[in-house]
Amino acid sequence: DGGITQSPKYLFRKEGQNVTLSCEQNLNHDAMYWYRQDPGQGLRLIYYSQIVNDFQKGDIAEGYSVSREKKESFPLTVTSAQKNPTAFYLCASSAWGTGQPQHFGDGTRLSIL
Amino acid sequence: AQSVTQPDIHITVSEGASLELRCNYSYGATPYLFWYVQSPGQGLQLLLKYFSGDTLVQGIKGFEAEFKRSQSSFNLRKPSVHWSDAAEYFCAVGASNYGQNFVFGPGTRLSVLP
Repeated sequence: DGGITQSPKYLFRKEGQNVTLSCEQNLNHDAMYWYRQDPGQGLRLIYYSQIVNDFQKGDIAEGYSVSREKKESFPLTVTSAQKNPTAFYLCASSAWGTGQPQHFGDGTRLSIL
Repeated sequence: AQSVTQPDIHITVSEGASLELRCNYSYGATPYLFWYVQSPGQGLQLLLKYFSGDTLVQGIKGFEAEFKRSQSSFNLRKPSVHWSDAAEYFCAVGASNYGQNFVFGPGTRLSVLP
């Protein structure tokens, strides 16, 4: 079945360490997104990519970086510059075009050791 | 810029009772509207979507939503709630320009009493 795979499901980061969250999709979607979810705050957009080798900052990009070298993959790196990284991270993808619904992975929960 | 409000942070209903979750949006043009459901520790699942046409849209799991342009609302309803419906519900709006991202509401947590 087609879908979005996020790994790992749980991740722990030490102070000063960069960590990378994986997101892979086999839906043949052009667009991919990363969201951060904190309790009571809904979803906030970190980065999005509409095409390979191109991506744009969302509302809370500081302390994060992404790459889009393949259509299927959109990894997110949480850098040491992100001072409050503890959150639930969701990856999504959508087809190209207006109003296309986004499809979500099952998320990665990042915690600080 | 578009925005979404969900006035109810937490709603509790009894199993078998009817349900209505409120969603209000702010957007200058015709919006694309969505409802998603999220179980604890999981991703979001699309329940239904409105693009145009009939203002009453049917979704999965027995849910429906009605678009009311005059009230800028897109409320989610279910005639009889099941215990398995307990989850977080998010309303989202997408703009009509090409490649637009979504704006999500803060979510409404639904609890179901046996």
